[in-house]
Amino acid sequence: NAGVTQTPKFRILKIGQSMTLQCTQDMNHNYMYWYRQDPGMGLKLIYYSVGAGITDKGEVPNGYNVSRSTTEDFPLRLELAAPSQTSVYFCASSYGLRDRQGTSGSDTDYEQYFGPGTRLTVT
Amino acid sequence: GQNIDQPTEMTATEGAIVQINCTYQTSGFNGLFWYQQHAGEAPTFLSYNVLDGLEEKGRFSSFLSRSKGYSYLLLKELQMKDSASYLCAVRALSGGYQKVTFGTGTKLQVIP
Repeated sequence: NAGVTQTPKFRILKIGQSMTLQCTQDMNHNYMYWYRQDPGMGLKLIYYSVGAGITDKGEVPNGYNVSRSTTEDFPLRLELAAPSQTSVYFCASSYGLRDRQGTSGSDTDYEQYFGPGTRLTVT
Repeated sequence: GQNIDQPTEMTATEGAIVQINCTYQTSGFNGLFWYQQHAGEAPTFLSYNVLDGLEEKGRFSSFLSRSKGYSYLLLKELQMKDSASYLCAVRALSGGYQKVTFGTGTKLQVIP
């Protein structure tokens, strides 16, 4: 398994440009997440998805959009790039069905697997 | 909402033991994770606690007290490669779905 893959690894955008950050996972995970991490800070949840066709906002969704047409792919769209969106973007995936059923499993069932990240600079 | 607190930085000596604390306030709590993140890399999973008590995995142990909203990560026999940020993350059920919220992380520096 390749795990979680993200493209591109690096990108420089001019203010007002648009781009899509790609994320793909081959582990058949239902849950997928997009985080941003500013220098010296923790991870902030942008959007997440609990399955194909279902997405919801996280803590910092403004300026971003997502879609989830397949289980494998969860692209993140920046429509009008701003300097405040300069950050490292991580995509992650995990299982999640057991939560709704209230049963417990081994801890490895719930861990999030992270992609290598995309370093985005907006100037 | 959720509130997660961790110390910003810690320094410890090679071979020693260090304890990194995490306190949280949340509704619908359904588990707490610890992740390790080396500079410039993605986080990697260390541990998961959903019940009270201590979970031991080699040199790393994680403790949870749900009633106190408190967890700690214990690192024994510190090695230089343990220098990294340690992220506490809380999972909570919201509207039937899980959400995972990360703390800002504790940057651990291991010195000789």
